Amino acid sequence: KQEVTQIPAALSVPEGENLVLNCSFTDSAIYNLQWFRQDPGKGLTSLLLIQSSQREQTSGRLNASLDKSSGRSTLYIAASQPGDSATYLCAASPPPQGGSEKLVFGKGTKLTVNP
Amino acid sequence: DGGITQSPKYLFRKEGQNVTLSCEQNLNHDAMYWYRQDPGQGLRLIYYSQIVNDFQKGDIAEGYSVSREKKESFPLTVTSAQKNPTAFYLCASSRGGSGPPRPQHFGDGTRLSIL
Repeated sequence: KQEVTQIPAALSVPEGENLVLNCSFTDSAIYNLQWFRQDPGKGLTSLLLIQSSQREQTSGRLNASLDKSSGRSTLYIAASQPGDSATYLCAASPPPQGGSEKLVFGKGTKLTVNP
Repeated sequence: DGGITQSPKYLFRKEGQNVTLSCEQNLNHDAMYWYRQDPGQGLRLIYYSQIVNDFQKGDIAEGYSVSREKKESFPLTVTSAQKNPTAFYLCASSRGGSGPPRPQHFGDGTRLSIL
């Protein structure tokens, strides 16, 4: 059974710092790895999706990498801003069944960027 | 704008009562999902549906029921058999079908509490 772990559970950094969030998964037979952002009391917003055949994806100040052999993904945030404060969740997707994807989520990393 | 609408935002349940959470999407997505999120926890899959009139149990389906009579709608009923229903419930959808993976889109959630 796939298990996804995110370390650390919480992280506090000063504004402008570059930071890395970690995600590990136990079963390397994934279809894709997704990173989401969740603001308090809100739903999830998709940030990046890395297909199993890819090594990384970039969007603006965000860069996500994937190493299936070691069961790890990282989310790199450059030049952090107070608006980046949120909980970041990663989710691993097994090969889809009939077009649906049963994502397995980590518990998230709560990021606070201090002005 | 296309998106997912969940209602109500807050819901209170009395002992022995069934309650239904609404989820509507106008993204023309085939697949829809219901997740439960407890404080400090990742999301856990309750039910998912790949197409109209079809749905499958997720990891924690006991005490819940769903229907998928229309492509746009995937309501979740929390029955009296669910003894610990207090949680944040999130509905999501994805394109489904073949082709490259696409991220799941999420609603803003319904927070259910026990009176």
